[in-house]
Amino acid sequence: AQRVTQPEKLLSVFKGAPVELKCNYSYSGSPELFWYVQYSRQRLQLLLRHISRESIKGFTADLNKGETSFHLKKPFAQEEDSAMYYCALSSGGSNYKLTFGKGTLLTVNP
Amino acid sequence: EAGVTQFPSHSVIEKGQTVTLRCDPISGHDNLYWYRRVMGKEIKFLLHFVKESKQDESGMPNNRFLAERTGGTYSTLKVQPAELEDSGVYFCASSQVGANYYEQYFGPGTRLTVT
Repeated sequence: AQRVTQPEKLLSVFKGAPVELKCNYSYSGSPELFWYVQYSRQRLQLLLRHISRESIKGFTADLNKGETSFHLKKPFAQEEDSAMYYCALSSGGSNYKLTFGKGTLLTVNP
Repeated sequence: EAGVTQFPSHSVIEKGQTVTLRCDPISGHDNLYWYRRVMGKEIKFLLHFVKESKQDESGMPNNRFLAERTGGTYSTLKVQPAELEDSGVYFCASSQVGANYYEQYFGPGTRLTVT
């Protein structure tokens, strides 16, 4: 069975500080990993996909298959980064159903 | 471009009643997904349509839940009869078939409260 674990329910940092949101997964095959974000009063939206290896809004995430982790990082947090972040896994193929973690609420204080 | 829309935004019903949730995906998106978040739990997959066909309904909790997607356009999710544990936020998402098939666009959700 596939599972995504986000160990921190809440994370609070100051503006300009580095931030790391942790995500660990369990899956027997080769999963695709994503980070979705939900800003206040907005919809859930895709932030990052591990295959693309892009930096979006200053965030990066590296898939570590040895540690089965996909942590989200940003060197200098901004107040507008405050949001709920969900790590998600998909087995790929023809069905991209997502398995979500419980989410981490990030608060960036001024 | 209009995003994924869901109706109603909030529904309060009594145990034993029937509720129908509707989702209108982004035009041209053949993939349509339903998810649910129960209080304190993670967002969980319910089912996946490709056009009008059910590709995967492994996440449907029980036979009180019935999803349809007539003509491969909008989808409905009916709960009959509703139970207290059905309370939660129901999300719909859609995606293309093709280059960006992996990116799911979510609707705002329908908050269902069963009393």
